[in-house]
Amino acid sequence: DGGITQSPKYLFRKEGQNVTLSCEQNLNHDAMYWYRQDPGQGLRLIYYSQIVNDFQKGDIAEGYSVSREKKESFPLTVTSAQKNPTAFYLCASTLGAGAFNQPQHFGDGTRLSIL
Amino acid sequence: AQSVAQPEDQVNVAEGNPLTVKCTYSVSGNPYLFWYVQYPNRGLQFLLKYITGDNLVKGSYGFEAEFNKSQTSFHLKKPSALVSDSALYFCAVREPNSGGYQKVTFGTGTKLQVIP
Repeated sequence: DGGITQSPKYLFRKEGQNVTLSCEQNLNHDAMYWYRQDPGQGLRLIYYSQIVNDFQKGDIAEGYSVSREKKESFPLTVTSAQKNPTAFYLCASTLGAGAFNQPQHFGDGTRLSIL
Repeated sequence: AQSVAQPEDQVNVAEGNPLTVKCTYSVSGNPYLFWYVQYPNRGLQFLLKYITGDNLVKGSYGFEAEFNKSQTSFHLKKPSALVSDSALYFCAVREPNSGGYQKVTFGTGTKLQVIP
């Protein structure tokens, strides 16, 4: 079955450390997204990518970085500059950024905590 | 700018009773509206969407939603609630226009608790 795989499920970060969250999809979707979920705040967009080798900042990109070297993969790095990284991180994809009437497909998330 | 409001943080309903989870939106054009469900420590799962056409939209697991343009609402409903419906529900809006990335805006979520 096609879907989105996020790993690891749980991740712990030490002070001053960068950590990378993996997101892989086999849906042949062009567009991929990273969201941060905090209790009571809904989902906030960190970065999105409409096509390989291209990505754009979302609403809360500071302290995060991404790459999109392959269509299937969209890893997110939480850098030491992100002072409050504790959250649930969700990766999503759609057929194309212009597929306005299509829902997003989500992975099962990575829960990041500070040690 | 587009926005979505889910006015209730939590909704409690007895098993077997009808349920409603409220959503109102604000866009400058015609909206594309979505409902998603999230179970603990899982990603969001798509339930249903309104694009155009009939105002009553039917989706997965017996859920339906009614689009009301005059009230700018898109409430999620189910005639008979199950304990297994207990989860976090998100409403989302996307405003289509030409070219580029079309942002999806999510509501803050409503926790549904179905009481046996």
